[in-house]
Amino acid sequence: QVTLKESGPALVKPTQTLTLTCSFSGFSLTTGGMRVSWIRQSPGKALEWLARIDWDDDKVYSISLKTRLTISKDTSRNQVVLKMTNMDPADTATYYCARISTGSSGWYDYWGQGTLVTVSS
Amino acid sequence: DIQLTQSPSFLSASVGDRITITCRASQGIHDYLAWYQQKPGKAPNLLIYAASTLQTGVPSRFSGSGSGTEFTLTISSLQPEDFATYFCQQFNGHPFAFGGGTKVEFK
Repeated sequence: QVTLKESGPALVKPTQTLTLTCSFSGFSLTTGGMRVSWIRQSPGKALEWLARIDWDDDKVYSISLKTRLTISKDTSRNQVVLKMTNMDPADTATYYCARISTGSSGWYDYWGQGTLVTVSS
Repeated sequence: DIQLTQSPSFLSASVGDRITITCRASQGIHDYLAWYQQKPGKAPNLLIYAASTLQTGVPSRFSGSGSGTEFTLTISSLQPEDFATYFCQQFNGHPFAFGGGTKVEFK
């Protein structure tokens, strides 16, 4: 059974760095073709794709947020970590991690429940 | 970047109605499109991938079509559990992008 779960602070102050962890089970990021992405959704808004990390450690970032994002993986712990620097109230959103499975060209078949991050002083 | 435009943004419908949602891409994306359903407070749920392939477990009243720049999601007979927001997503090229969403409301 595939599951993903996001964890991290619910509240961060402006200019701080946000660190989010996606803990997953039911698959391995050492399996060829497996990829995990971070996607966020501001309250009442559309989904915004942020970053992706692949089984071979290839990484892709949102062009508009590239300078602020770092994605990494710990395959021994089955975790993917996203760091976002210089947080702003506009970054208040629910942050999701989601899986692209082997055989998928890029659709997300499993998602975490999401974690709400509020940026406020 | 490839932009996705969904229409309409809001749709009022009744149980049993046939509804269609459109997703237009700013450039051709072949059939590299997926559709998701999202209910309040929940993560998106994959309905359709590769424009027209139904994800396992999704009811057959959902269908998708299109290629290139224009795509549609159709629900043949709306059920009470289908009142939700629907998003399209392209995976032809990075950055992957989502449409703005279509909220299906009870008339």
